[in-house]
Amino acid sequence: GQQLNQSPQSMFIQEGEDVSMNCTSSSIFNTWLWYKQDPGEGPVLLIALYKAGELTSNGRLTAQFGITRKDSFLNISASIPSDVGIYFCAGQDSNSGYALNFGKGTSLLVTP
Amino acid sequence: DTGVSQNPRHKITKRGQNVTFRCDPISEHNRLYWYRQTLGQGPEFLTYFQNEAQLEKSRLLSDRFSAERPKGSFSTLEIQRTEQGDSAMYLCASSPLTGNSPLHFGNGTRLTVT
Repeated sequence: GQQLNQSPQSMFIQEGEDVSMNCTSSSIFNTWLWYKQDPGEGPVLLIALYKAGELTSNGRLTAQFGITRKDSFLNISASIPSDVGIYFCAGQDSNSGYALNFGKGTSLLVTP
Repeated sequence: DTGVSQNPRHKITKRGQNVTFRCDPISEHNRLYWYRQTLGQGPEFLTYFQNEAQLEKSRLLSDRFSAERPKGSFSTLEIQRTEQGDSAMYLCASSPLTGNSPLHFGNGTRLTVT
């Protein structure tokens, strides 16, 4: 599988701040997904994107599927302590198989 | 809907032993996936089942690894002659067959090979 370039690797912010993280790939994907993972647990789906240019929100989270189909970003507004965790982007090209390709994750720490 | 269930949650084994993990997907999910995750990395794809058919295997899935889904419901992942490099979190995920349904992951089995 192909590794995606996810940045930043980690973020340390204060409660109430907005957060932005992004993911890029050298290949085109037709699906972008964002997951959050807490220690000792599996990834939990946050947002799914299926069309280039698509902008989708889920509460304080907003994600976009890049026009080039090679990138995506995730924004979190007004962060709270329970936003702490590791955020993963994942891309899929259904023409190349069934595998989801994951980034290495962005570790988010939020201080009260 | 109880989510994807994986057992055991933790497994400690000695090098050279065989281990088997079980995954129970969300009911009526035809698609089932196995992933492996090591510390500081994202999950890496191992294999994919559609019902009972194993349709895709990663090069990561060496000949010591075998996965089955005999009745198209639960799946097992067996690792033979474990090595220390096999230590990782093994994640199972499932999704419906229809459309671009995203994967839903279980909480994984943490394998430690001593």
